[in-house]
Amino acid sequence: SQKIEQNSEALNIQEGKTATLTCNYTNYSPAYLQWYRQDPGRGPVFLLLIRENEKEKRKERLKVTFDTTLKQSLFHITASQPADSATYLCALDRNSGYSTLTFGKGTMLLVSP
Amino acid sequence: KAGVTQTPRYLIKTRGQQVTLSCSPISGHRSVSWYQQTPGQGLQFLFEYFSETQRNKGNFPGRFSGRQFSNSRSEMNVSTLELGDSALYLCASSSTGQFVNTEAFFGQGTRLTVV
Repeated sequence: SQKIEQNSEALNIQEGKTATLTCNYTNYSPAYLQWYRQDPGRGPVFLLLIRENEKEKRKERLKVTFDTTLKQSLFHITASQPADSATYLCALDRNSGYSTLTFGKGTMLLVSP
Repeated sequence: KAGVTQTPRYLIKTRGQQVTLSCSPISGHRSVSWYQQTPGQGLQFLFEYFSETQRNKGNFPGRFSGRQFSNSRSEMNVSTLELGDSALYLCASSSTGQFVNTEAFFGQGTRLTVV
């Protein structure tokens, strides 16, 4: 069956460090992968999109890698701040013929001062 | 540009009742998707509409239905509510629904509690 796995345990790091979150998938061949941030009680907010022919994408303090051989994406936040504390979700194509996002369950990031 | 608007924000219903949730997408967006989010299952896809046509449906029972109007506004309906339907229901709009090129814009969600 198709699976998208994100670390269910919260990631606790100290302010200023780099946070690295992992998204693994099986039985998918996504053309792209997206990362979203979700704060409690709110809808997800788009952060980055990376396509299958791109190895790496950057936006300010954020970096995403996409390894289609390993079936894995890594999401990095450098110089992390307490305001980065949130749940981060990866999403990819549902292989439905029409692009439909399927989400992982997300990893909660807690950045302490 | 106004964002995605979902109404109501909170709902409490009794088992067996039905409920209708509304979503107004960003102006000009023709694709609207609905998701159910629970702590145990995460975000699960319900269905997607584009120009009033349902293009995709997730693995939910027939009690869950939806529609889209000519102005792209969408509604979802849940009939014969069960306790397990308690969740945050999220609506997402995009210009084309082709997420290889664009992102999904989510509303704040409707928190449904079934008692």
